[in-house]
Amino acid sequence: AQSVSQHNHHVILSEAASLELGCNYSYGGTVNLFWYVQYPGQHLQLLLKYFSGDPLVKGIKGFEAEFIKSKFSFNLRKPSVQWSDTAEYFCAVWATGGNEKLTFGTGTRLTIIP
Amino acid sequence: DAGVTQSPTHLIKTRGQHVTLRCSPISGHKSVSWYQQVLGQGPQFIFQYYEKEERGRGNFPDRFSARQFPNYSSELNVNALLLGDSALYLCASSSTTSGNIQYFGAGTRLSVL
Repeated sequence: AQSVSQHNHHVILSEAASLELGCNYSYGGTVNLFWYVQYPGQHLQLLLKYFSGDPLVKGIKGFEAEFIKSKFSFNLRKPSVQWSDTAEYFCAVWATGGNEKLTFGTGTRLTIIP
Repeated sequence: DAGVTQSPTHLIKTRGQHVTLRCSPISGHKSVSWYQQVLGQGPQFIFQYYEKEERGRGNFPDRFSARQFPNYSSELNVNALLLGDSALYLCASSSTTSGNIQYFGAGTRLSVL
């Protein structure tokens, strides 16, 4: 069965700092990878996705993620964070050919200090 | 276009009671999935339905059941509620044309006392 690990439980950064949130998954086959964001009081929103092709994918609001197959990783990055990026971030994996479900990590709470 | 809508928004029940949560998918989406999100955790998969048939089931007890209707809306039922069932229950819909991208509703906050 697939699983997802997010290494950082809570990250605190100042505005304009660079961000990298770690995500590792375990599954031997082909995967689709996602980052979702949950802003305070709002529902889960898709930030970006990787299905195939270029391993560097760009999402909304200046976020990007790189799929490194050899490391089973899909880390989220942003060069310069803003106060409005304060939110909970979830990495998720869909194992193609496996159970038809989205498996989430435990989430990383990001707090941006103005 | 309306997104995924869930009702009710909040619900308070006591142990042993039964609860029904409802979800309407995005128009044109035929697949609905249910997730449980306990505070401080990521969403945990409960069920997926496609064209009114169960396509996947997570590691939840038989007290949890669901169904999908001809208009693709869905219900999640939980019997004999336990304190540990207190959580945010999320519904997500997807379409075959958008791959496995799940679009989430705002959720139903269930408190079991």
